[in-house]
Amino acid sequence: EVVLLESGGGLVHPGGSLRLSCTASGFTFSDYPINWVRQAPGKGLEYVSTISGSTTGGQRAYAESVRGRFTVSRDDSKNTVSLQMYNLRDEDTALYYCVKDMFVPWGAFDMWGQGTMVTVSS
Amino acid sequence: EIVLTQSPGTLSLSPGERATLSCRASQSVSDNSLAWYQHKPGQAPRLLIYSASIRTTGIPDRFSGSGSGTDFTLTISGLEPEDFAVYYCQQYGGLRSFGQGTKLEIK
Repeated sequence: EVVLLESGGGLVHPGGSLRLSCTASGFTFSDYPINWVRQAPGKGLEYVSTISGSTTGGQRAYAESVRGRFTVSRDDSKNTVSLQMYNLRDEDTALYYCVKDMFVPWGAFDMWGQGTMVTVSS
Repeated sequence: EIVLTQSPGTLSLSPGERATLSCRASQSVSDNSLAWYQHKPGQAPRLLIYSASIRTTGIPDRFSGSGSGTDFTLTISGLEPEDFAVYYCQQYGGLRSFGQGTKLEIK
């Protein structure tokens, strides 16, 4: 069974930093792209970031709204992807989902975690 | 970055009716890399359709996807009570993006 478990959410002040983690199991982790998607309260889904799998060299991509402030990384030895978030803003407040691509090297998002909540507030 | 525009924003229908949801892309979606998701409150989104028209395993055949290029449609034939939710389209051919969603509500 594929499982994605996010952690690291919490309350942070504007301008602060936070690191989210996603630990996965049930599939050949290193092969698959892993993504972060967020949903602000009362809003729709927003794509945040992708890190590709080993077959494509762990390439990184970011939405324009977070580029330069967020950094995604992966540790295939621990089946973990991290999202380091810097210079957080009020508008980064959201439920952050860790999501797996359906296929290698890329595909639709077939498996989602339950999310971790990030609240940016003074 | 491809912008996806979904219409309508809200669709009010009764069980048994047919729902037609639209998703328009600001530029052509490569390889028809377009997916549809269903999202209910308190749950993770669920993948319904990928490659514009292929149903994911376990998705009822009342859900169908069509379209290519910049215009895509999700059709739900014979709405069941559990189908009332928010639906999102997403393109994953380049830098990924989601549409703003269509809320399907009970009339």
